Amino acid sequence: TQLLEQSPQFLSIQEGENLTVYCNSSSVFSSLQWYRQEPGEGPVLLVTVVTGGEVKKLKRLTFQFGDARKDSSLHITAAQPGDTGLYLCAGARSNTGKLIFGQGTTLQVKP
Amino acid sequence: DTEVTQTPKHLVMGMTNKKSLKCEQHMGHRAMYWYKQKAKKPPELMFVYSYEKLSINESVPSRFSPECPNSSLLNLHLHALQPEDSALYLCASREGQQDLPLHFGNGTRLTVT
Repeated sequence: TQLLEQSPQFLSIQEGENLTVYCNSSSVFSSLQWYRQEPGEGPVLLVTVVTGGEVKKLKRLTFQFGDARKDSSLHITAAQPGDTGLYLCAGARSNTGKLIFGQGTTLQVKP
Repeated sequence: DTEVTQTPKHLVMGMTNKKSLKCEQHMGHRAMYWYKQKAKKPPELMFVYSYEKLSINESVPSRFSPECPNSSLLNLHLHALQPEDSALYLCASREGQQDLPLHFGNGTRLTVT
């Protein structure tokens, strides 16, 4: 059972365009993490959101956690080729030791 | 550079071989993880060690055998693998077992022939 629905799964855009990736669930998470993975490397944490309604910015990336802590979004402004990679959302349940990963979004930004 | 080091980076093995994957971290993290990842898919949890004891086994076939010799090291012993076991094997660590972020290594790319 996939508890965290991530969309879109594939996205190919031109440099300079904006995009949004969504992560949705019917379950409540204590926190939600976003990772980016480049080819040949492991996932690297971008941000953790903990509070319902929280918005965090990381340069051109804006992350939002839904009020009910069931969903999250990642918005990239003016995408650049260096943003290319696999973006993963992952929801945490308190004290389970497990992260529930979304299916991932493969982003390609063409120059 | 990642703070979780995995060796080897690449491994090709036959179905009758025995090999081991190694993972090391010196961040003092007490929870360590093995994940399997296929191309363009999310990591799939295999095993979790907490304070050097196996706490989670996600019904992984016995041809995969984890070992945690000490708090800094994590091994994955491989025996009689199948071609469908070819994947990127990722090690990760984090502090304790709270909902804190994972620190991933760069993985071992395994090919089973």
